[in-house]
Amino acid sequence: GNSVTQMEGPVTLSEEAFLTINCTYTATGYPSLFWYVQYPGEGLQLLLKATKADDKGSNKGFEATYRKETTSFHLEKGSVQVSDSAVYFCALRYRTGTASKLTFGTGTRLQVTL
Amino acid sequence: DGGITQSPKYLFRKEGQNVTLSCEQNLNHDAMYWYRQDPGQGLRLIYYSQIVNDFQKGDIAEGYSVSREKKESFPLTVTSAQKNPTAFYLCASSMGAGGEYEQYFGPGTRLTVT
Repeated sequence: GNSVTQMEGPVTLSEEAFLTINCTYTATGYPSLFWYVQYPGEGLQLLLKATKADDKGSNKGFEATYRKETTSFHLEKGSVQVSDSAVYFCALRYRTGTASKLTFGTGTRLQVTL
Repeated sequence: DGGITQSPKYLFRKEGQNVTLSCEQNLNHDAMYWYRQDPGQGLRLIYYSQIVNDFQKGDIAEGYSVSREKKESFPLTVTSAQKNPTAFYLCASSMGAGGEYEQYFGPGTRLTVT
């Protein structure tokens, strides 16, 4: 089946620290991979994506590389800000019939302090 | 502004009552989705619709019902048969249900049943 495993949170960092949130996946076929961000009380926003192996998704200083050999899509940012505090979800998209579906990880809460 | 509207933001109901959550989009998207989010868990797919007058069960459809009479609207009814209805409900839409289309999320409705 298809599944996503994320590192447990919460992750607490000081401003300007380096961030890594681990994500590994299990999938049949060749899924697309995503990171979504959820700010308190809000819906999910797409942060970045990668659609094939070795692709690097990037946005707002965040990056993630689709590693087929390690089935991973770890999220990184070189210098976090207080405004990055949110819950981050790793997800994969797979096809089923004529539709595609998203499978999400459990989310990792990031808290950035001054 | 184009987007997805979910109302209300907070909803309270007594056990044994059915309740309908609203989801409206003005993005002219064909596909719409309902997810449920519980603390410490990722999003789980309840129902999805690829086109007007058609919908399919997701992974946790029991105790829920939907309709898709208009392209822009995809209401979700949480019935009294749903054993644990208290959760955060997210609606999403995409241009199509195929693998190349991104899903955009609404702000969510937090349902509390006592």
